[in-house]
Amino acid sequence: EIVMTQSPATLSVSPGERATLSCRASQSVSSNLAWYQQKPGQAPRLLIYGASTRATGIPARFSGSGSGTEFTLTISSLQSEDFAVYYCQQYNNWPLALTFGGGTKVEIK
Amino acid sequence: QLQLQESGPGLVKPSETLSLTCTVSGGSISSSSYYWGWIRQPPGKGLEWIGSIYYSGSTYYNPSLKSRVTISVDTSKNQFSLKLSSVTAADTAVYYCARLGGVIHWGQGTLVTVSS
Repeated sequence: EIVMTQSPATLSVSPGERATLSCRASQSVSSNLAWYQQKPGQAPRLLIYGASTRATGIPARFSGSGSGTEFTLTISSLQSEDFAVYYCQQYNNWPLALTFGGGTKVEIK
Repeated sequence: QLQLQESGPGLVKPSETLSLTCTVSGGSISSSSYYWGWIRQPPGKGLEWIGSIYYSGSTYYNPSLKSRVTISVDTSKNQFSLKLSSVTAADTAVYYCARLGGVIHWGQGTLVTVSS
């Protein structure tokens, strides 16, 4: 089983600042990595797939990078609507399995 | 536009079987490009993949739940279903149905509480 580890668990950031979230895989997942944003009471929303491709309608302030086992989601200038929980998900061995990281909560500093 | 809607009881007693159905609209469940599946999220916790099914009936399950899970598909109704047996309080969660193409297209989710 591929284990996904996200850090930090909580990130305190002021509006307008940059946020950098990390996701590490226990073995290589190539670029088969997605990022989702989840707000309270809502289903997750796809932000990034293929490690670095923004999904339709996602603002340019969201960017993804990495390959293999180390990945990063960067929010260049945090807006009020960006405070949420972010999850990474690997799909390298889909459809046999899908695994998620434990999430990073981005909160207002 | 693709939409997925979960339906089923919101309260299940311990030791009983949780049953949910997902109705797909705006797209065909018989698409060769996708699997369909279930993901759950206990209150205040992270996401857990439960299992996936192809329109032909081929399934994959999370090993940690495999002994208790059955996912089935009804292409004539454009629906797929989840059964989770012998539930305990630890199975209390929001259950999402989803289209799985590597990345996930989510339903809105439904809360299922296990309690007597």
